[in-house]
Order: sequence, then C-alpha cells, then structure tokens
Amino acid sequence: KQEVTQIPAALSVPEGENLVLNCSFTDSAIYNLQWFRQDPGKGLTSLLLIQSSQREQTSGRLNASLDKSSGRSTLYIAASQPGDSATYLCAVLFSGAGSYQLTFGKGTKLSVIP
Amino acid sequence: GAGVSQTPSNKVTEKGKYVELRCDPISGHTALYWYRQSLGQGPEFLIYFQGTGAADDSGLPNDRFFAVRPEGSVSTLKIQRTERGDSAVYLCASSPTGGSGETQYFGPGTRLLVL
Repeated sequence: KQEVTQIPAALSVPEGENLVLNCSFTDSAIYNLQWFRQDPGKGLTSLLLIQSSQREQTSGRLNASLDKSSGRSTLYIAASQPGDSATYLCAVLFSGAGSYQLTFGKGTKLSVIP
Repeated sequence: GAGVSQTPSNKVTEKGKYVELRCDPISGHTALYWYRQSLGQGPEFLIYFQGTGAADDSGLPNDRFFAVRPEGSVSTLKIQRTERGDSAVYLCASSPTGGSGETQYFGPGTRLLVL
C-alpha cells in the first residue's frame, strides 16, 4: 500500500527559529509531491509543488526538497513567525495509482511561540 | 479569480438521513476531486471527475456514497442513510486539466456532523 508519513506530529518552536518538517513515502514512482498548509477550520492552501524530476522548490521563506530514491521530502521554514502556526500536510501523487488522486500524510502541527 | 467554493460550510443531520454537499470548482477547471478528512487525519481520496464523468471512484467507502457532475462544472456529493462514522470534513479540489504536473486547489470544506 502506498503511504505517506509525517514526523513529528507536532512541533513547537520560538519565533525566529529555522525549522524542518519531514515527509516520507513508500514508493519512489511518483509524479509529484505537494506541501499544503491548513489553518484550523479551513481548507488547504498549496505552498509548494515539486515535480518528480526536480530536487527542490523555493517560495519566500519556504524551501522544499525531494529525494525520490530514498522516499523523503523536507520542508524548511526560515525565520519562523507566529503567523506560520498551522498544520502542514505533505501529499504525494503516486504514478501507479491510475488516476490523479493525492495521498496525504497526517500532518505536522506547528506552533511558533512569540 | 474566485477559488473553489463549497456549500454548506456546516451540516448537522441525524443518523439515517440523506445529505447533499455541493462544490463549485474554479471556472474552466475540468478536473474535480472529492476528499474526506477525519479529525486528526490527512484527507483521503473519494472520487475524481474528468469533465462530466467519474474517472476514478475507487475511494468511495460504500454504495451509500454517490457523486455527480452533470454539466462538467458543479459537483454534488450525495450520502444516503448517513451514519455517525460519516462525520468528517468533506473537501473538494479542482485543477485545470487533471494533468500529473498540476496543483490541486482546495475549497474550505463542508463539516458534516451526523448525530
């Protein structure tokens, strides 16, 4: 079964720290990997999408890396701010699935303390 | 332009009742997806539409769940004989053509509570 795992489940850091969120997946045959942000009671906001041929993507203070062979991705957040507090979800589009359904991890709940 | 919208935002119903959840995708997007998110879990895939047809309904949990997209835009997820275990947030997403390199854009979700 194709699965996505995110560690840790929750993370608390003081404002200004750099941090890394981890995502692992069980099958290296993927089309792409996406990182989303979810605020309480809200839908998902796409942060970064990395195609299978890419190694990383950057947007502002966010940098996502992809290592297909080891089945890992990381989301790096620089100079964290209280407004970054949210749940971060990793989602993989596996190429063997037969359709374009995303498989999600359970998320990492991030709290940035002022 | 407008994003994906979903109505209602919240729905409370009694066990055994029928409910309909509506999704308005981004205008012009031919691909539409339904996911279900239970408390503390990531979203789980339910069904994928390409235009008017369900290209993949492998995530629907049983035959009480059904979805339609008759004109290739708005979609309705229908749940018959609701059970308490159906309580979750139902998320809809759309993408331009359903290609493997596209971002899926999500709506705010419908929070369904079955009493």
